[in-house]
Amino acid sequence: AQTVTQSQPEMSVQEAETVTLSCTYDTSESDYYLFWYKQPPSRQMILVIRQEAYKQQNATENRFSVNFQKAAKSFSLKISDSQLGDAAMYFCAYRGDKIIFGKGTRLHILP
Amino acid sequence: DTGVSQNPRHKITKRGQNVTFRCDPISEHNRLYWYRQTLGQGPEFLTYFQNEAQLEKSRLLSDRFSAERPKGSFSTLEIQRTEQGDSAMYLCASSPGTGGKSPLHFGNGTRLTVT
Repeated sequence: AQTVTQSQPEMSVQEAETVTLSCTYDTSESDYYLFWYKQPPSRQMILVIRQEAYKQQNATENRFSVNFQKAAKSFSLKISDSQLGDAAMYFCAYRGDKIIFGKGTRLHILP
Repeated sequence: DTGVSQNPRHKITKRGQNVTFRCDPISEHNRLYWYRQTLGQGPEFLTYFQNEAQLEKSRLLSDRFSAERPKGSFSTLEIQRTEQGDSAMYLCASSPGTGGKSPLHFGNGTRLTVT
């Protein structure tokens, strides 16, 4: 069975600084997808970024980028120029037939 | 495209009562998923449908839980004889096609409180 591990329950970053959230996963499959979701206090899950496992190039979406290390089964999220609106729970997710989520990292932005 | 809609937003019930939640996915999305989320935790998979067929059920889904998607459009999740441990946010999500790279689109959830 696939598992997703986020080892940082909480993190804080100064506004305008860069922060990296860690994620590791376990799977025996070779073709899969990985996602980062954001859940603000309003609680609706919002897709931040996605990565296809067969692509070596790391995905980028504006201030958000990933460091995908397939052999190490690592999928970290980097947020550049952190903004107050980035404060939320961030979930790493593995996509097979269903999506398996990690336990999340609560990100605080310090003004 | 009005997004995934869940009703009700909040439900308070007494232990032992039955409750039913409804989810309307994004139109033409074939897949519909139910997740449960407790405070400070990630969503836990409960079950999912491909059109009207229920393809997988988590062992978290005890025999008190039942989900249906009779016409391949909206879905209902029923919990019978509710227990305090059922208190959680129940999230519904949908995606197009048969899985693969499509991300899930989530609704706002139904928060259940069992007293």
